[in-house]
Amino acid sequence: DIQMTQSPSSLSASVGDRVTITCRASQSISTYLNWYQQKPGKAPKLLMYAASTLQSGVPSRFSGSGSGTDFTLTISSLQHEDSATYYCQQSYSTPYTFGQGTKLEIK
Amino acid sequence: QVQLQESGPGLVKPSETLSLICTVSDGSVSSGSYDWSWIRQPPGRGLEWIGHIYYSGSTSYNPSLKSRLTISVDTSKNQFSLKLSSVTAADTAVYYCARVNHSAYKAFDVWGQGTVVTVSS
Repeated sequence: DIQMTQSPSSLSASVGDRVTITCRASQSISTYLNWYQQKPGKAPKLLMYAASTLQSGVPSRFSGSGSGTDFTLTISSLQHEDSATYYCQQSYSTPYTFGQGTKLEIK
Repeated sequence: QVQLQESGPGLVKPSETLSLICTVSDGSVSSGSYDWSWIRQPPGRGLEWIGHIYYSGSTSYNPSLKSRLTISVDTSKNQFSLKLSSVTAADTAVYYCARVNHSAYKAFDVWGQGTVVTVSS
């Protein structure tokens, strides 16, 4: 199985801050890397696929980059509604696997 | 916009079989552009892919669950289902159904709202 490791596990930032979450795969996954946002009691929501393609309807303050084993999700100017847990996920090979999540709090 | 809705018992006894159905609305489970997947999330924990099915009936399962797992599709009802046998407390989780979009690098682009399943006697 491909292991996905996110860092940090949690972070706290202020409105307007630039925030970066990293995700590392245990082997190369090309750009088969997806990002999800999950708010409490809700299903995850797809933010980004193919490492850097923004899903329709997602604000442009979200961006993604990376290929191979190292990836980042960046929020350019944090908003209150971005408080959530963020997960990366590889779709390179089954079993599809997720990172452990990064809980983002707004100060 | 396609919608997914999980249904099934919220309480299952240990050693019994967990059965869930996902109904697809405003879209077709027979579309060749998608797989149809199950994902679960134990309380306070992360996400685990369970497996998926193509409309033809072709399946892919997580090896950690494969011996207990059956995913099937009913194109006439526009539904797909999950059966997990010999459940234990470790199978307690929120179970989600989701669509795997082949055109989006096989990302899970549409999710059901999730259904809570508790394994307890």
